[in-house]
Amino acid sequence: DAKTTQPNSMESNEEEPVHLPCNHSTISGTDYIHWYRQLPSQGPEYVIHGLTSNVNNRMASLAIAEDRKSSTLILHRATLRDAAVYYCILSASSGNTPLVFGKGTRLSVIA
Amino acid sequence: EPEVTQTPSHQVTQMGQEVILHCVPISNHLYFYWYRQILGQKVEFLVSFYNNEISEKSEIFDDQFSVERPDGSNFTLKIRSTKLEDSAMYFCASSDDFLLRDTQYFGPGTRLTVL
Repeated sequence: DAKTTQPNSMESNEEEPVHLPCNHSTISGTDYIHWYRQLPSQGPEYVIHGLTSNVNNRMASLAIAEDRKSSTLILHRATLRDAAVYYCILSASSGNTPLVFGKGTRLSVIA
Repeated sequence: EPEVTQTPSHQVTQMGQEVILHCVPISNHLYFYWYRQILGQKVEFLVSFYNNEISEKSEIFDDQFSVERPDGSNFTLKIRSTKLEDSAMYFCASSDDFLLRDTQYFGPGTRLTVL
């Protein structure tokens, strides 16, 4: 599986934008970039995914570098509820692919 | 919004006992998964299931583990003879095909404690 590298932890002030980086220099052409998060004592939760173009949804935005070797998850206005571990995961587009979770980035949000 | 449900939320068992963890995936989903997370560690893949058979399994998913979809809605994970090291959170997930590739929806988990 292609690997991803994320900072262990990040901190943000409430109501401020947060940019969570992910490096995936060995990504293959068919790998999708997925972001999941895990709130305390809960199961992982899908956030967003993309292939080449930047993506927006109600939760976040995903900015993908032109060479696809890195991506950034953007939370436009962090809330206390966004405090979680965020995972950047590469997945082949088979529709039946196990997700390989790394350690992720633990995001703390300060009121 | 449809969601994956899991029961029980917490299961305590004695070493050597059999446990069955229950999951109800989202109704129109086709792919089903079990993951586990030992306290303080990463989420680990156990098994995926499609079209009434196992698609893929990890090294963790040995002969002590089995999965079943006994009816049109439930998806179960059975551990035949639990060990202390099986203590973990077990998450069920499901996903749709094609348009939502690899977007997996997770349940809240079952905490398994083996004494």
